[in-house]
Amino acid sequence: EVQLLESGGGLKQPGGSLRLSCAASGFIFRNFAMNWVRQAPGQGLEWVATVAAGGGGSTYYADSVKGRFTISRDNSNNTLYLQMNTLRVEDTAVYYCAKDRLVQSVMDSWGQGTLVTVSS
Amino acid sequence: DIQMTQSPSSLSASVGDRVIITCRASQNIARHLNWFQQKTGKAPKLLIYDASTLQSGVSSRFSGSGSGTDFTLTISSLQPDDFATYYCQQSFSGRTFGPGTKVDIK
Repeated sequence: EVQLLESGGGLKQPGGSLRLSCAASGFIFRNFAMNWVRQAPGQGLEWVATVAAGGGGSTYYADSVKGRFTISRDNSNNTLYLQMNTLRVEDTAVYYCAKDRLVQSVMDSWGQGTLVTVSS
Repeated sequence: DIQMTQSPSSLSASVGDRVIITCRASQNIARHLNWFQQKTGKAPKLLIYDASTLQSGVSSRFSGSGSGTDFTLTISSLQPDDFATYYCQQSFSGRTFGPGTKVDIK
């Protein structure tokens, strides 16, 4: 059974940094592209970033986070990361990690989410 | 960037009703369209991918159709467990979600 468990959320001041983690199990982690998706309170879903399968050399970002957030993966520890720098109030959201289907850009399994609050 | 719209934004329906939600892309996305269901406080759940392929384990009362710019999600006979918010999402270029359609009890 696929399991994705996010951690690292919390309260940060604007301009601060935070690193989210997503521990994966139940599948061959390195073979699948992975994603972060966020949802601001009471709002819809927003794709944040994707890292390709394998070594993770290919990464993709939403314009809203480009240059501030970095997605990465550690295949030896089956863990996905999101380094969030220069945080803004509008980054406040529940952050979900999601696994893609094999060689398809379809997010078929999701974690339960971790809440990031950016406030002074 | 590809923009996604959904209609209606919300609807009220009764158990047993046929429900149709539409999704439109700002440009041709072929069949790179996925549908998700989200219940309050829970993670989204993949229902349909590639416009019409039912995800494993999802009830056959859900179906999807369309290609190009216009897509639909149909729930053939609404069940109590189906009251939720539904999102379409394109994966043709980047990934963009629609704004969602909330289905609640009439």
